[in-house]
Amino acid sequence: QQPVQSPQAVILREGEDAVINCSSSKALYSVHWYRQKHGEAPVFLMILLKGGEQKGHDKISASFNEKKQQSSLYLTASQLSYSGTYFCGTENNAGNMLTFGGGTRLMVKP
Amino acid sequence: DTGVSQDPRHKITKRGQNVTFRCDPISEHNRLYWYRQTLGQGPEFLTYFQNEAQLEKSRLLSDRFSAERPKGSFSTLEIQRTEQGDSAMYLCASSLKGQTIGNTIYFGEGSWLTVV
Repeated sequence: QQPVQSPQAVILREGEDAVINCSSSKALYSVHWYRQKHGEAPVFLMILLKGGEQKGHDKISASFNEKKQQSSLYLTASQLSYSGTYFCGTENNAGNMLTFGGGTRLMVKP
Repeated sequence: DTGVSQDPRHKITKRGQNVTFRCDPISEHNRLYWYRQTLGQGPEFLTYFQNEAQLEKSRLLSDRFSAERPKGSFSTLEIQRTEQGDSAMYLCASSLKGQTIGNTIYFGEGSWLTVV
């Protein structure tokens, strides 16, 4: 079953922060975050494996609450280059295939 | 460029024709995945291989779809008797199974299919 992402879309001014949420009705083994620009392939951002684990990359970080079956992606001091659609992919069993959410469209304006 | 390459990048075909897409994964990766993505949606899983074995197929993969990975390297996805509903981007991805879970999956640029 597909994870649910919220919000569906968000518009930011450069320098503002955003949070994107991903929740699953099934137990999660891992959560993978990707960003996709229009007409391009999804680009891997980060992966979270353990409950409560937080990872960061530059000004983009994420957390994983295994108990609540949720993950959140945090974008701080957003830049124009952050624009795109963000997808969470959840791994619900040890088969390693990912089930993706519907995406969150993020637009950063100057 | 993630190292996963797909060919062709774009294909326009008439309804009823057959099409084939090729994917070359990152060279040491033993897992290869096919996903389909339509406009405004997330990628939907179709099938995946570990080496040459096809381990899982989605119910989205109708009888008209077939995928192979004959020598455990490149893979092909064939769609027979295409329908307009097959119009989508077909994404290939690969990973190296080094752990039981949490192996990073890298996507190719995708093959756009338009059925007219």
